[in-house]
Amino acid sequence: DADVTQTPRNRITKTGKRIMLECSQTKGHDRMYWYRQDPGLGLRLIYYSFDVKDINKGEISDGYSVSRQAQAKFSLSLESAIPNQTALYFCATSDWEGGQQETQYFGPGTRLLVL
Amino acid sequence: QKEVEQNSGPLSVPEGAIASLNCTYSDRGSQSFFWYRQYSGKSPELIMFIYSNGDKEDGRFTAQLNKASQYVSLLIRDSQPSDSATYLCAVNGYSGAGSYQLTFGKGTKLSVIP
Repeated sequence: DADVTQTPRNRITKTGKRIMLECSQTKGHDRMYWYRQDPGLGLRLIYYSFDVKDINKGEISDGYSVSRQAQAKFSLSLESAIPNQTALYFCATSDWEGGQQETQYFGPGTRLLVL
Repeated sequence: QKEVEQNSGPLSVPEGAIASLNCTYSDRGSQSFFWYRQYSGKSPELIMFIYSNGDKEDGRFTAQLNKASQYVSLLIRDSQPSDSATYLCAVNGYSGAGSYQLTFGKGTKLSVIP
């Protein structure tokens, strides 16, 4: 079984709809991240969480919200989807143990199309 | 704004040749550096990390770090068609309040020609 799972894997929605992307992990990591990837723009950080009670905005948080329901679960919501949120979304976890030595492990991604 | 720059490519090399991928970064305080490989439509997977100046070898892959010049590179020896992918450079830098954050480059697309 995959260590980091994302649901759904593909989603088509309409402008103005609220949608939620879910991420679960069995790696036991405290840190979790949401990224989006667009052609030519690379991976950009949306939100991150260092533990259940810690939520932080990333580079491009506008239009998104997150919920850390448990150590293993981190959800990303688009309150009112717009077409420029069409992208590939990745969840990641990390095994941070102090300092800057941290490796991130990515889920399989969710491909989102907003019409 | 911390920046990580990579040539977008595509970089084309013949099978069996050495592929050289380069990355420069702006945050002089960064201390850990990562190379991820991403096949089209798939998620990034870690190939190597390097924390100290010099070379680090793992099989056909060698990461090179020069903190004074603020660059990190990845060499792939005996390139295979299966190495064809986009390679992402990631740099861990201080983001304030005692925490660190990975910044990714936009990636270099590598094509290995049989």
